[in-house]
Amino acid sequence: DTGVSQDPRHKITKRGQNVTFRCDPISEHNRLYWYRQTLGQGPEFLTYFQNEAQLEKSRLLSDRFSAERPKGSFSTLEIQRTEQGDSAMYLCASSLVGGAYTDTQYFGPGTRLTVL
Amino acid sequence: AQSVAQPEDQVNVAEGNPLTVKCTYSVSGNPYLFWYVQYPNRGLQFLLKYITGDNLVKGSYGFEAEFNKSQTSFHLKKPSALVSDSALYFCAVREKEAAGNKLTFGGGTRVLVKP
Repeated sequence: DTGVSQDPRHKITKRGQNVTFRCDPISEHNRLYWYRQTLGQGPEFLTYFQNEAQLEKSRLLSDRFSAERPKGSFSTLEIQRTEQGDSAMYLCASSLVGGAYTDTQYFGPGTRLTVL
Repeated sequence: AQSVAQPEDQVNVAEGNPLTVKCTYSVSGNPYLFWYVQYPNRGLQFLLKYITGDNLVKGSYGFEAEFNKSQTSFHLKKPSALVSDSALYFCAVREKEAAGNKLTFGGGTRVLVKP
């Protein structure tokens, strides 16, 4: 049973460019979450999916951010027209809910974004 | 709305001494409570959770936490700290009755265990 994986681990981009991150959850986990963590802070919720449906989005998720989980497996998070304020660690987590399973969220290693 | 407070930015402890990391929470209904640990440039690693039942929860690596409903606290403890326990610790909460499962995290407490 492999853990949550994220790609890339690090991304450096120039202001105004678009970036896309990928998250592969633990297999058969039906929920997938995206969080953002800035230096010295705890993670903040961005959005989550139940299978392929995006069920909740935080107000932190501006129009420049879009997330997809097209087949209910991996997910992508795209940021358009990046700004320096987007510099952060982007964390993905997955969980299994339903039946006897409670939703412990297991996190990936994160993608650290630096916008110059 | 749900929130978590970790009142100490940093906790220093000598190796072999007891370790306590404090956490208080606020939710409208019943809480699910979690502790995670983060090592440098790594994601969060799950330590333990309180869902229901016994107020004393045991987790990974010898850690435990005590749920106290009247004080709305969920302090993390370890009887004998190791140098390798030095890391950033996060407490998180979500409301049991909430439709979504988003976690709200505290600001984190850095633990430094000195040899």
